[in-house]
Amino acid sequence: GESVGLHLPTLSVQEGDNSIINCAYSNSASDYFIWYKQESGKGPQFIIDIRSNMDKRQGQRVTVLLNKTVKHLSLQIAATQPGDSAVYFCAVSDTGRRALTFGSGTRLQVQP
Amino acid sequence: NAGVTQTPKFRILKIGQSMTLQCTQDMNHNYMYWYRQDPGMGLKLIYYSVGAGITDKGEVPNGYNVSRSTTEDFPLRLELAAPSQTSVYFCASSYRGNEKLFFGSGTQLSVL
Repeated sequence: GESVGLHLPTLSVQEGDNSIINCAYSNSASDYFIWYKQESGKGPQFIIDIRSNMDKRQGQRVTVLLNKTVKHLSLQIAATQPGDSAVYFCAVSDTGRRALTFGSGTRLQVQP
Repeated sequence: NAGVTQTPKFRILKIGQSMTLQCTQDMNHNYMYWYRQDPGMGLKLIYYSVGAGITDKGEVPNGYNVSRSTTEDFPLRLELAAPSQTSVYFCASSYRGNEKLFFGSGTQLSVL
């Protein structure tokens, strides 16, 4: 089955710096990728998604990069702010699957 | 719109008790899901439904049951609570599979 992992359990950055959170997936048939943010005591909140026909997608201060060759996904957050402190999850799916498979999460800590 | 609503927010059960976690959505979504999240971990799929009257097992279905009699509601039933079911439970929905999920705020369950 699908397994999704993240490269670091905790990432600490200075306010104003850029953050990069990485994710690896195992199933080459995966064609939908998504990032969620989860603040303490809350449900996951959608950040950005990308499909396999794209390599890059940008939102407001966030960019998702997809490298299908090495099965790697990353989330870049520009000018990280204290409000970005949270746990970030990547999740993947494919056309045949009816549910997202989630990674274990990376905790982003923003230092003032 | 309320989105996805879960009740209760917190519950403590004794071993062997049963309970139902309620989930309702007002977005007319076809797909609904139940995930559990253990401390420091990602989300694991318990059950999902692609429409009223249709349910299917996810990754960790043992000890749980679901039903989907309406588009809006997707309750999760725990019949004989065990300490291993101590977790945070999230309900989610989407219009179709292989796209972003909208999550509820979660139910924190402790089995003692």
